[in-house]
Amino acid sequence: ELKVEQNPLFLSMQEGKNYTIYCNYSTTSDRLYWYRQDPGKSLESLFVLLSNGAVKQEGRLMASLDTKARLSTLHITAAVHDLSATYFCAVPRWTGRRALTFGSGTRLQVQP
Amino acid sequence: DVKVTQSSRYLVKRTGEKVFLECVQDMDHENMFWYRQDPGLGLRLIYFSYDVKMKEKGDIPEGYSVSREKKERFSLILESASTNQTSMYLCASSLGLEIGNEQFFGPGTRLTVL
Repeated sequence: ELKVEQNPLFLSMQEGKNYTIYCNYSTTSDRLYWYRQDPGKSLESLFVLLSNGAVKQEGRLMASLDTKARLSTLHITAAVHDLSATYFCAVPRWTGRRALTFGSGTRLQVQP
Repeated sequence: DVKVTQSSRYLVKRTGEKVFLECVQDMDHENMFWYRQDPGLGLRLIYFSYDVKMKEKGDIPEGYSVSREKKERFSLILESASTNQTSMYLCASSLGLEIGNEQFFGPGTRLTVL
């Protein structure tokens, strides 16, 4: 059974600081997805990582994928309050690859 | 832009009622999904469909059924609502494996069963 684990589950950080969210998964996958969810809202796609070594950047967020280590990271550079949200990673299931298994989410709170 | 819409943002039902949650996507996506989201449990897959009239169970299908009569519409049915089905329900759609399989989510329906 595929397990997707994120850590930390909760992160409180000050504006201007850097931090990394980790996403580990238990079975082979060649792709991984990152989503953002604002309080009371739905999920918004952030990054689609489609191969080993893939790196994507958008503003202060950078995501990378290491399929051999079964690890993805979401790095936050010089955090700002607007980045406060819950971030989810997701991996395709082996059975029925169209469906995804999501991590529990990392709730990020950026303090001014 | 891909648009996924859900029939209600908020819904209050009584125990034992039959509940229909509707989801429509406008981008000709072949795959559609229903998840529920609960605090501390993340998103859990209830059912998904990869074609009209085709469906597969997810992790927590008990107490739910689905219907996909048209490509753009995927319905989630609670046959006899119970209080433990109080949750946020999220619908999503995706084009297919060949295109990266990115899922696009609707705004969600917050269902309360009394």
